[in-house]
Amino acid sequence: EDQVTQSPEALRLQEGESSSLNCSYTVSGLRGLFWYRQDPGKGPEFLFTLYSAGEEKEKERLKATLTKKESFLHITAPKPEDSATYLCAVRYGGSQGNLIFGKGTKLSVKP
Amino acid sequence: EAGVAQSPRYKIIEKRQSVAFWCNPISGHATLYWYQQILGQGPKLLIQFQNNGVVDDSQLPKDRFSAERLKGVDSTLKIQPAKLEDSAVYLCASSPHEESGRWHYEQYFGPGTRLTVT
Repeated sequence: EDQVTQSPEALRLQEGESSSLNCSYTVSGLRGLFWYRQDPGKGPEFLFTLYSAGEEKEKERLKATLTKKESFLHITAPKPEDSATYLCAVRYGGSQGNLIFGKGTKLSVKP
Repeated sequence: EAGVAQSPRYKIIEKRQSVAFWCNPISGHATLYWYQQILGQGPKLLIQFQNNGVVDDSQLPKDRFSAERLKGVDSTLKIQPAKLEDSAVYLCASSPHEESGRWHYEQYFGPGTRLTVT
């Protein structure tokens, strides 16, 4: 059973069409939930860390929220340059500081 | 601040050959990770170093994969002999020193090495 599940696998939006990506997790003792952006041919780029339910963080058009079982990455009025794969990862008490990644959501924003 | 450096960026080898990847972490970062990312999947941890000691290598296929981090800075990951299923991107990441049990720093990734085994 996957410990981190992301949905949808792929999302196509028109420029300006807001939406949300989901990351659900089953681990206990969460020590942090991380969002990364990955462009083709590049390594993941750090976006946010969330530590406790109710926490929210924002960066430009992106806003990440966290509940006890899942996190959402809200994208407001996206632009074509927001097209990328968004990866969610968790760190928990039994993971020795390591990150357990989901499979990612591939976002395409068309002009 | 310079990021995580990796080389080579691309490598094509035949099965049963050997290959090595190199990583130079962000200056001052004590913790170094090697991940394997298969196409369409998220990165999967292979090995974690704290300075030059191994913290976790539970998912490293030790019959063919080896890694070392001499002097607590640069690291190399080796595959010998390679199999077709080793085709993937190998990512190196680093993070600042973690106090025991805290583990709250984010990891910063290099550009990766794309390995193709034919």
